[in-house]
Amino acid sequence: QSALTQPPSASGSPGQSVTISCTGTSSDIGGYNYVSWYQQHPGKVPKLMIYEVTKRPSGVPDRFSGSKSGNTASLTVSGLQPEDEADYYCSSYAGSNNPVVFGGGTKLTVL
Amino acid sequence: QVQLQESGPGLVKPSGTLSLTCAVSGGSISSSNWWNWVRQPPGKGLEWIGEIHHSGSTNYNPSLKSRVTISLDKSKNQFSLKLSSVTAADTAVYYCASSRSAAHDYWGQGTLVTVSS
Repeated sequence: QSALTQPPSASGSPGQSVTISCTGTSSDIGGYNYVSWYQQHPGKVPKLMIYEVTKRPSGVPDRFSGSKSGNTASLTVSGLQPEDEADYYCSSYAGSNNPVVFGGGTKLTVL
Repeated sequence: QVQLQESGPGLVKPSGTLSLTCAVSGGSISSSNWWNWVRQPPGKGLEWIGEIHHSGSTNYNPSLKSRVTISLDKSKNQFSLKLSSVTAADTAVYYCASSRSAAHDYWGQGTLVTVSS
């Protein structure tokens, strides 16, 4: 059982927007602004898409955006494209005793 | 740009110790980054194993803490993972990664380690 809860699946048509949620507690997501999101295509290495809740690393399209409200973080993908079909994982800092926790992952399907 | 490369045996016997090394290039292991190990069992999600700082400070996943040791070799610009008393449940792709502010920005290609007799 993962520390952070994500829906197993999400889907949308090309051009649409989709939001993936990631629910934690006040000890992780709610307590710190250190939420990250990763994209992983099958057989590939995870890629950092969002860090510190809302920031995008260089090279990540601005179609990807992050937000947080209380104990829940969200990743929104706007203008869905076929290459966005992948697994997405959230992660959060959770304090000095267990610094990093991951969500169980969400499979995004572009219909 | 930082590059990481895992190396080590792809097959470990049950009750044995899994040992992997991550070579860092394009950057110094003495930078402000943390150096991490993350694993992914076949068909499953990511699990953080632990991290080490160039100062020698370490943090481990509480669920694995009793079996994990992460160490640093500054002279070789690399860091290592040892996981003891392995079982089939430890079969996974093991990634090394660097992190800042709890975000894992650079990852190795990953190496599959199978626990089997």
